[in-house]
Amino acid sequence: GAGVSQSPRYKVTKRGQDVALRCDPISGHVSLYWYRQALGQGPEFLTYFNYEAQQDKSGLPNDRFSAERPEGSISTLTIQRTEQRDSAMYRCASSLEHNEKLFFGSGTQLSVL
Amino acid sequence: QQPVQSPQAVILREGEDAVINCSSSKALYSVHWYRQKHGEAPVFLMILLKGGEQKGHEKISASFNEKKQQSSLYLTASQLSYSGTYFCGTVISNFGNEKLTFGTGTRLTIIP
Repeated sequence: GAGVSQSPRYKVTKRGQDVALRCDPISGHVSLYWYRQALGQGPEFLTYFNYEAQQDKSGLPNDRFSAERPEGSISTLTIQRTEQRDSAMYRCASSLEHNEKLFFGSGTQLSVL
Repeated sequence: QQPVQSPQAVILREGEDAVINCSSSKALYSVHWYRQKHGEAPVFLMILLKGGEQKGHEKISASFNEKKQQSSLYLTASQLSYSGTYFCGTVISNFGNEKLTFGTGTRLTIIP
């Protein structure tokens, strides 16, 4: 596609529910990243993939968070048993190779009530 | 480990110059710069690799001093379109799977 696409754009959920956030990277991009961004703050690293392999998940806050990229293209970030503190903008980015120019998606704004 | 940026915020009149600094407590392999406008995604500006190079085009350039573990972004003769929050991102090694860690951000406001 023309850019990194994320869906949904907004997600409102109740505490305790599971949510799945989707990222469709630029075609041909090897690396895919998930970041979380609080208002006024820099993006905070969560995890990244090269192709389908998850290379680093050190930024995932706890075991309620997981991510996958089964075919090396589309990725899903799943948050189980959501809590209010999970509310944030979740951004996906992709790059041709690891740590080259990152292209960010528009993000998913998650609100946990 | 998050790089520290300074200043936190700056207000300039159109045509003035600005310098944004990014400092790390660790030795760096590369520094990235991004600009984010309100309500939008961060947009890539440039990458600097260790070697002390200076990069840029026209009125936006940057330097990387690996010895001092810092980078500076220079905005010359600022335009209204330069307004936004600037983030540096740092990578500490080219080996393994080191991640890009973003800094604290510098909010730049250009007024006419």
